[in-house]
Amino acid sequence: GAVVSQHPSWVICKSGTSVKIECRSLDFQATTMFWYRQFPKQSLMLMATSNEGSKATYEQGVEKDKFLINHASLTLSTLTVTSAHPEDSSFYICSASGTGDYGYTFGSGTRLTVV
Amino acid sequence: GQSLEQPSEVTAVEGAIVQINCTYQTSGFYGLSWYQQHDGGAPTFLSYNALDGLEETGRFSSFLSRSDSYGYLLLQELQMKDSASYFCAVPNTGGFKTIFGAGTRLFVKA
Repeated sequence: GAVVSQHPSWVICKSGTSVKIECRSLDFQATTMFWYRQFPKQSLMLMATSNEGSKATYEQGVEKDKFLINHASLTLSTLTVTSAHPEDSSFYICSASGTGDYGYTFGSGTRLTVV
Repeated sequence: GQSLEQPSEVTAVEGAIVQINCTYQTSGFYGLSWYQQHDGGAPTFLSYNALDGLEETGRFSSFLSRSDSYGYLLLQELQMKDSASYFCAVPNTGGFKTIFGAGTRLFVKA
């Protein structure tokens, strides 16, 4: 089945620094990937849709200058949290749709803690 | 827009059957999916219903009634490892993005 690899699985950073999260589709090409954020005991909130070769589409209320998304190739999308603050601490998850699948395959998630 | 409603918590005992309901409101319908998420982990796809009726996959089954904008996930022969959060989800208008419900936390007790 489709596999999505996400790194790092957890990261602690200082307030004001930037953090990059990578999401790779390992055995299929993903022209579109999705980035979600999930706070404890809450649902997954879609942040943006990452499109290979074009700009990401952000959901309402998501700051595009703070959450930079780059879809460099058909198998790699990155999310950079710039000038991170403690309120950005969350679980970030990417997902992509594999060929022929109805469901989406998720990466393992990245737990970001900003101190 | 889209919205989904599901219970916040359900508790059941090992070996029992539990049903998690989901009602949805969408401007177009492209199917109802279910995902399981254990604490600290990523969601995993469980099932998808595009047509009315029951889809069975092992101990898990999913039901859809499009006329009622309603579906449910049925878990049989509950095991402790089934303790997790379960999300129903629908594609948005156009069928491009997936919108998740708030999730139902299932607690399975011995």
